[in-house]
Amino acid sequence: KAGVTQTPRYLIKTRGQQVTLSCSPISGHRSVSWYQQTPGQGLQFLFEYFSETQRNKGNFPGRFSGRQFSNSRSEMNVSTLELGDSALYLCASSWMTSGSYNEQFFGPGTRLTVL
Amino acid sequence: GIQVEQSPPDLILQEGANSTLRCNFSDSVNNLQWFHQNPWGQLINLFYIPSGTKQNGRLSATTVATERYSLLYISSSQTTDSGVYFCMLQGAQKLVFGQGTRLTINP
Repeated sequence: KAGVTQTPRYLIKTRGQQVTLSCSPISGHRSVSWYQQTPGQGLQFLFEYFSETQRNKGNFPGRFSGRQFSNSRSEMNVSTLELGDSALYLCASSWMTSGSYNEQFFGPGTRLTVL
Repeated sequence: GIQVEQSPPDLILQEGANSTLRCNFSDSVNNLQWFHQNPWGQLINLFYIPSGTKQNGRLSATTVATERYSLLYISSSQTTDSGVYFCMLQGAQKLVFGQGTRLTINP
């Protein structure tokens, strides 16, 4: 089975721009979660989608948004980029049952640099 | 929300040594995982262990949910074991990571 894939792997943007990252889950997985990793804050949960619906959200501003398509692929968007948005963005997929997460499998990440 | 604390933050050992990494949490959990993050940032699944004990080669893990901690054991360390180890658990519908333990294995 193919693992979780993320595109692009590296991205350089300037302040004020917007960016869209993509995540394709493991076949059959319907839950996709997104995380931000920075040296200062560590790994932080952004949001989680299940069957095209956002089920849970972390403590991030509204500039961070996402969506999930009917094939379970997910995208996250960051608008009006700030320098502090420079980070490794990771997505994970799982075979989520109702109300509880099962084992999470992570993609290789997208490293975003904001200049 | 649930709090997660990993210890020690840093660990430096010689090749062949054994190590124990700890993950304490503040509330009951439904889901606990251990990961190894490689130098390229990829999180590698080690164990999915909400409770009990599991072993995989030189690695093993134990979670005592009633006492709110989990331990990751690495025996006969190799230089390829170097990296950051994270525990992650589910609390209040969010997945929460510890701050990680940076393990350095010197030849």
